[in-house]
Amino acid sequence: SYDLTQPPSVSVSPGQTASITCFGDKLGDKFACWYQQKSGQSPVLVISQDSERPSGIPERFSGSNSGNTATLTIRGTQAMDEADYFCQAWDSNTVVFGGGTKLTVL
Amino acid sequence: EVQLLESGGGLVQPGGSLRLSCAASGFTFSTFAMSWVRQAPGKGLEWVSAISGSGVGTYYSDSVKGRFTMSRDNSKRTLYLQMNSLRAEDTAVYYCAKVPGDFWSTSYYFDYWGLGTLVTVSS
Repeated sequence: SYDLTQPPSVSVSPGQTASITCFGDKLGDKFACWYQQKSGQSPVLVISQDSERPSGIPERFSGSNSGNTATLTIRGTQAMDEADYFCQAWDSNTVVFGGGTKLTVL
Repeated sequence: EVQLLESGGGLVQPGGSLRLSCAASGFTFSTFAMSWVRQAPGKGLEWVSAISGSGVGTYYSDSVKGRFTMSRDNSKRTLYLQMNSLRAEDTAVYYCAKVPGDFWSTSYYFDYWGLGTLVTVSS
């Protein structure tokens, strides 16, 4: 089975840049996307197809995917960005999620 | 505005059955693939099943294959998940999620999610 690995937690100071990684074998050959899930809420798509930002998602969110690693970058992180972030890919007739990364803004 | 509203969750005993529904609005339902994704309490997201726009193609995770059946009624704009032989490890919030097209390939992802319905399997 295909696995996606994320760091359990990332901390960032307000206004700084947060980077959340997602590791998978040859992930760069697939499309990766990212979801934000705030406490008690449903997931929200923030990046699709490696680097596409859906309508309504702030420009401070960006994504990249190369080699074995996809990265979600949040520039000028705000307190409202504190949430769990999940990467996701499709492989061999299966949808795979990373374990999630808790982003703390402090 | 796209809206997805799940229902049918509740408390069920191990070995029991439950049917979840997801009512969709705000888009042409029959032209989009859909999935169910679950989240156990305090845990991450786990894909459960997927279905094509027509309902002909269905796909399941290994953890539910043979026990769960996904279907859709495009005339009612409703998605279903029939869950049989339920186990304690099936306890989770179940979300229905919309795909931005009708496909099953490497670009598969979810552009809208419902609010979820909680399924608790316990004696």
